[in-house]
Amino acid sequence: NAGVTQTPKFQVLKTGQSMTLQCAQDMNHEYMSWYRQDPGMGLRLIHYSVGAGITDQGEVPNGYNVSRSTTEDFPLRLLSAAPSQTSVYFCASSQRGSSNQPQHFGDGTRLSIL
Amino acid sequence: RKEVEQDPGPFNVPEGATVAFNCTYSNSASQSFFWYRQDCRKEPKLLMSVYSSGNEDGRFTAQLNRASQYISLLIRDSKLSDSATYLCVVNRYSGGYQKVTFGIGTKLQVIP
Repeated sequence: NAGVTQTPKFQVLKTGQSMTLQCAQDMNHEYMSWYRQDPGMGLRLIHYSVGAGITDQGEVPNGYNVSRSTTEDFPLRLLSAAPSQTSVYFCASSQRGSSNQPQHFGDGTRLSIL
Repeated sequence: RKEVEQDPGPFNVPEGATVAFNCTYSNSASQSFFWYRQDCRKEPKLLMSVYSSGNEDGRFTAQLNRASQYISLLIRDSKLSDSATYLCVVNRYSGGYQKVTFGIGTKLQVIP
């Protein structure tokens, strides 16, 4: 019963490096989202997807790319890491349909950019 | 004005006390509402949905007031293990898709 799986759990990068945060869900959920959480800021939406092949920007998309080639996977790419991207990143998924579907979260990736 | 607003707290309450949090939302088209619990920078976990008629789950009661556009969470007989941040979540449809908005969270500290 995996739910939403994020890897890695922790990562330290140098400024300018690129990396991909992985997210996979096994619940056949159409909706998937990436959030970042910073102290005093709450959860902020980076990118989201409503199904395979469809992605869109959230509140804070700059510096990040996503793709959704399968229903299960929704990777988040940092193209050129910056210290401002130091944060905790959460992936979430939910069923499509009416608006009363709660989000299910992965256990997060703690990312530090030096 | 933020779409979802919560008092960040912290609320420091003694064990056994009753505590209530409110969360206001600005968009009257909001359709569904949830409370999540988040422990110490771990992932948010669904605590309960909030229904128009109000709903209860053990020591927790959630209520919705559409006229005044707020939801509330009441915790009775607080336990040390209730210490966490409680996130208010509001969903609505926008452009054919589900739009999810999180509040900043209210921190609760239950004191022995």
